[in-house]
Amino acid sequence: EAQVTQNPRYLITVTGKKLTVTCSQNMNHEYMSWYRQDPGLGLRQIYYSMNVEVTDKGDVPEGYKVSRKEKRNFPLILESPSPNQTSLYFCASSHDGGTEFYGYTFGSGTRLTVV
Amino acid sequence: KQEVTQIPAALSVPEGENLVLNCSFTDSAIYNLQWFRQDPGKGLTSLLLIQSSQREQTSGRLNASLDKSSGRSTLYIAASQPGDSATYLCAVYIGTASKLTFGTGTRLQVTL
Repeated sequence: EAQVTQNPRYLITVTGKKLTVTCSQNMNHEYMSWYRQDPGLGLRQIYYSMNVEVTDKGDVPEGYKVSRKEKRNFPLILESPSPNQTSLYFCASSHDGGTEFYGYTFGSGTRLTVV
Repeated sequence: KQEVTQIPAALSVPEGENLVLNCSFTDSAIYNLQWFRQDPGKGLTSLLLIQSSQREQTSGRLNASLDKSSGRSTLYIAASQPGDSATYLCAVYIGTASKLTFGTGTRLQVTL
């Protein structure tokens, strides 16, 4: 089944303790993105990647890091989490269709709480 | 900066009604538009994708239209059912930063 898999689904952590949220897709997609969803603010892009070793900042990158060493994986790293990073996080992927857009497939989300 | 607005923010209808959800965007130079459904605390399920060369897409009881010149899209749901209760999100793709810009959604409740 074609899918984007995020782990963990739920995570409670303490301020300052480094964590990684994993994201993997099995569709051989070039594009991958991370979004966070907050009440009243909607979904905002954190980082994106257009292919292996190509990453760039989205709208809200502060406090996050990413890497794209393999095409299928795009982990989100919080080096020193703070309570304002409590949010629902989504990973998404899409095929690079050139002038055609194939739409994004989203993972099931990771609910992160930083205390 | 592209801004996407969805009206209404919330909607409650009795089962069986036909309904329309609206999405408007400020920059008409979009490439594509994608409608999603989100159940509480869950991920996003893609409903319909309208390519740049298309004006509408249909899937079952759902029909989405896109008018780039006026900066609007509508999602039409026919014969609504309680299982349609969810938040509906529209997102526009402008072809840069591989980014979708999302609206804040319409929360739909279909009552028996």
